[in-house]
Amino acid sequence: SQTIHQWPATLVQPVGSPLSLECTVEGTSNPNLYWYRQAAGRGLQLLFYSVGIGQISSEVPQNLSASRPQDRQFILSSKKLLLSDSGFYLCAWMTEGTGGSGYTFGSGTRLTVV
Amino acid sequence: LAKTTQPISMDSYEGQEVNITCSHNNIATNDYITWYQQFPSQGPRFIIQGYKTKVTNEVASLFIPADRKSSTLSLPRVSLSDTAVYYCLVQRYNTDKLIFGTGTRLQVFP
Repeated sequence: SQTIHQWPATLVQPVGSPLSLECTVEGTSNPNLYWYRQAAGRGLQLLFYSVGIGQISSEVPQNLSASRPQDRQFILSSKKLLLSDSGFYLCAWMTEGTGGSGYTFGSGTRLTVV
Repeated sequence: LAKTTQPISMDSYEGQEVNITCSHNNIATNDYITWYQQFPSQGPRFIIQGYKTKVTNEVASLFIPADRKSSTLSLPRVSLSDTAVYYCLVQRYNTDKLIFGTGTRLQVFP
């Protein structure tokens, strides 16, 4: 079966510290992968998406970066966190040929920058 | 991508039918209408998708008028567990990215 794993579930980091969030998918190959962020009480903001290994598209200029070192691995990073980086981070993958219905989201990481 | 407009919040009571309307005046011929549901501290999950007329599944119904400039998500006999944020999205089929708006926060009371 197809599953998506995202960790950690919660994270508290000081301002200026680095960040690494990892997302892996199982049961599929060459998926489109996405990182979204949701600030408290807000909608979801698309940060990055990837259609293949090493292919990263950035949607919003920010303090974050993404990498896809393997087909089913997507990593969100920051060298120095800002207070404004706090939020709920979600990884998602899309099943090809399903249009907007084929998105599956991970369980998310709640990041608090203090 | 067509812009969508939906109410920020709605309240209902258990057992009632809830209709959430979404406006998408600039929808294109190749666009589909998709609804997602998000519970607190969880990722969104797909509810229903349609192109025109009416679509029904075990969770909801989606009504789309002929001009497709709006759509209505209908949740029959809501329960407390339907309290969530509901997102209306208009996307090209086989698009490579999903863009969410702010959604409608539905609160169901006992």
